Amino acid sequence: AQSVTQPDIHITVSEGASLELRCNYSYGATPYLFWYVQSPGQGLQLLLKYFSGDTLVQGIKGFEAEFKRSQSSFNLRKPSVHWSDAAEYFCAVGARGGATNKLIFGTGTLLAVQP
Amino acid sequence: GAVVSQHPSRVICKSGTSVKIECRSLDFQATTMFWYRQFPKQSLMLMATSNEGSKATYEQGVEKDKFLINHASLTLSTLTVTSAHPEDSSFYICSARVLRTEAFFGQGTRLTVV
Repeated sequence: AQSVTQPDIHITVSEGASLELRCNYSYGATPYLFWYVQSPGQGLQLLLKYFSGDTLVQGIKGFEAEFKRSQSSFNLRKPSVHWSDAAEYFCAVGARGGATNKLIFGTGTLLAVQP
Repeated sequence: GAVVSQHPSRVICKSGTSVKIECRSLDFQATTMFWYRQFPKQSLMLMATSNEGSKATYEQGVEKDKFLINHASLTLSTLTVTSAHPEDSSFYICSARVLRTEAFFGQGTRLTVV
């Protein structure tokens, strides 16, 4: 069965420091991969996605993620964190093929940014 | 990007009443919509998948008679929480998807049952 693991429940980084949020997935083939960000009481905003091609994906707000098939990982990175990046981040996988493929979400990583 | 509008953003209702939440795709037609539930400080749990013009597919453990989903058009899906109880209080989020593109999410609805 498909599953997504985000090992870090809560991360605190200093403003200006680099960031890496981990995501590991379990799936029989290469899935579609997504990172979403959620501010308190809000819906989800897509940061970036991987469907195929270049395994290093650039997203909005300076985020990037790298798909590593051998490690079943899709870690999110940002070279310099801003205070406005404080939010909850969700990794998600979706099955390939078919128009109704649903997304399976990880448990999320709550990012705190300290001055 | 595409816009999904969810209404209302917040609702408080009395125990035993029903509440309807609307999810609209504003600038595209959504063949498939998904309804998620999110408990405080937890991830999103898929409740059901609705396809326009057909019955919704519910995830295991979700009561279909309690959470009624209707997807009558390509731009509107509704979730009705029937005979709501305090344990139904949660954050409900819809998403709309067009074939193989990514899903676009609504702003969410905070339901509080008192």
